[in-house]
Amino acid sequence: EAGVTQSPTHLIKTRGHQATLRCSPISGHTSVYWYQQALGLGLQFLLWYDEGEERNRGNFPPRFSGRQFPNYSSELNVNALELEDSALYLCASIRTPGQRYTGELFFGEGSRLTVL
Amino acid sequence: RKEVEQDPGPFNVPEGATVAFNCTYSNSASQSFFWYRQDCRKEPKLLMSVYSSGNEDGRFTAQLNRASQYISLLIRDSKLSDSATYLCVVNLASGGSYIPTFGRGTSLIVHP
Repeated sequence: EAGVTQSPTHLIKTRGHQATLRCSPISGHTSVYWYQQALGLGLQFLLWYDEGEERNRGNFPPRFSGRQFPNYSSELNVNALELEDSALYLCASIRTPGQRYTGELFFGEGSRLTVL
Repeated sequence: RKEVEQDPGPFNVPEGATVAFNCTYSNSASQSFFWYRQDCRKEPKLLMSVYSSGNEDGRFTAQLNRASQYISLLIRDSKLSDSATYLCVVNLASGGSYIPTFGRGTSLIVHP
């Protein structure tokens, strides 16, 4: 089966502008998590979407937002970009609880955002 | 205090050595525990889940101590290919749901 795909791979933006990152989960996975991994830091939880709804969000300002589409793909938007938003943004999907559920997160390769 | 804490290392060990990592978590209501491996500039991948009774997968052994709120990972007979960052993940209770929460990771360097 195809894995989690993210686009773009790399993105360079100017401070104050907006960035949009996209994620397609593994077929059959309905939950999508977004994480930020800044250089030298661990993965920080951003957002969780399930069945088209935002279920939880991490300790990030409202300029970090997103949505999940009917096909379960997801989009992360970062408005009013700041230099410290430069990071690797990772998307992960998870199998819906039920048979074969293990709790394993399947990650995409990430989108590396650089803010100048 | 961070919710999930790990010693960042690096742990620098020779091939064949045994090395152990610990990870502590703050919320006793946590459920589901995992170890992930992340290679340089790559995405994290599941290494193993951690069960209450402890579990082993080849050279890797994971244990959970709920009373002391920590999990551990033991790697025996280290290989050069084990060099990576090892991430502890705990599903922490948050707003009525459980969120996979990552530690900062422990860096392992295995040298010849």
